Parts: sequence; structure tokens; C-alpha cells
Amino acid sequence: NAGVTQTPKFRVLKTGQSMTLLCAQDMNHEYMYWYRQDPGMGLRLIHYSVGEGTTAKGEVPDGYNVSRLKKQNFLLGLESAAPSQTSVYFCASISNRGNDEQYFGPGTRLTVT
Amino acid sequence: GENVEQHPSTLSVQEGDSAVIKCTYSDSASNYFPWYKQELGKGPQLIIDIRSNVGEKKDQRIAVTLNKTAKHFSLHITETQPEDSAVYFCAASIRGTSGSRLTFGEGTQLTVNP
Repeated sequence: NAGVTQTPKFRVLKTGQSMTLLCAQDMNHEYMYWYRQDPGMGLRLIHYSVGEGTTAKGEVPDGYNVSRLKKQNFLLGLESAAPSQTSVYFCASISNRGNDEQYFGPGTRLTVT
Repeated sequence: GENVEQHPSTLSVQEGDSAVIKCTYSDSASNYFPWYKQELGKGPQLIIDIRSNVGEKKDQRIAVTLNKTAKHFSLHITETQPEDSAVYFCAASIRGTSGSRLTFGEGTQLTVNP
């Protein structure tokens, strides 16, 4: 049981390049989330999904797109990266049954130059 | 939407002393309040949580209190140890709504000096 995994761990992009961050969970969780963490600002929700095939906007969705084609995977896309998207990105998941604990992945550190 | 404020942003204590971190929230409908510990280079990990039908919860050296009327909740760590040094985040959400979205405080960097 690997929990929540994220790929890649580190990435450097040039302004205007695109990339996709992959989040995978093997706990059969319904809900998945993408956050960004910036110094002094805590974690802010980018997008989330309450089930396969469904996504919704969070607090800071601009510049990002997501897809949840399979229940275990939640993809975060940057179509045209900007320096303001330099951040650490965390994925999390919870079951919609039982407790509310969000399980976090180890993070992806993204730098946009 | 929900707004969560956390204080202090940094806290330094001597080993063995107690540490207290406080958070306030704005949405009276919030009913779930977790605390996360984040060590350097890792994702946040849940250490304790409390629901709105409970005023206090304790787990060994860690306790959380909730005052629904004042809309604030606090984390108490007793007999601090150097391994307690980390960033701590409070959060609030409305359990049961679509997505159970968490709103996080800005974090507290706790340093426990040996």
C-alpha cells in the first residue's frame, strides 16, 4: 500500500512550456485534491475531484487544468507555465466514507524560469 | 468562503516546555478542524483532529480545544521534544458537503531547542 504518490518530484520549466503532474492513490479513495504551497501562505486548493470523471475549481484554479479519467489518478496540467506558478504542489485524497483525514503525497517542487 | 487565521507564525520553546498554537475561523458552518505537521521536504501529516460536537480532544502529549462560540481552536503540545520541530497547520472544513474542502491557516514554524 503506497498511499499517495506524485510524479515527478522536481521539475524546472521555462516560461510558456507545458507539463502534467501525476497523482496516484491506491486506497480506493473517492475524493482527490491538488494544492499549492507557497512560503508564508499555507496550502491553497487549486482543483479537486469527488469522483471519477468529475472535477471542480478550488481557491486558485487559474492557469491549471485537471482530469480524473481513472479513480486512482488525478492529473494537474499547466498549459503555459508562468513564473508565478513556481511552487510546491501537493496532492491529497480522502475516502467519502468514515473519517475525513486527507492523506498527502510527498509533493512536487516546480520552478518556472 | 472560509478564512482561517493562525498565530504565531514562528514559535521557539525549550525542550520540555509547552507550545500553544491558535487558529480562528470565519464560517460558523465549519464542523471539522484538523491539525497537520509538516516536516522539511515532506507532505503534511494529520496529527489530531476535532469535530464541532466536541470541546476538547487529547492524544498523549497533544491536545486540541475548540470554542465554537468564539470560532477559535488551539493546539497544545506538552513536554516538547526536538522531534516536535516542524511546521504545523490548522485547517477547517464543512464535513459532509461535496468535496469536504479544507481551508488551511498559514502555518507555524515550531522550533524546540534542546
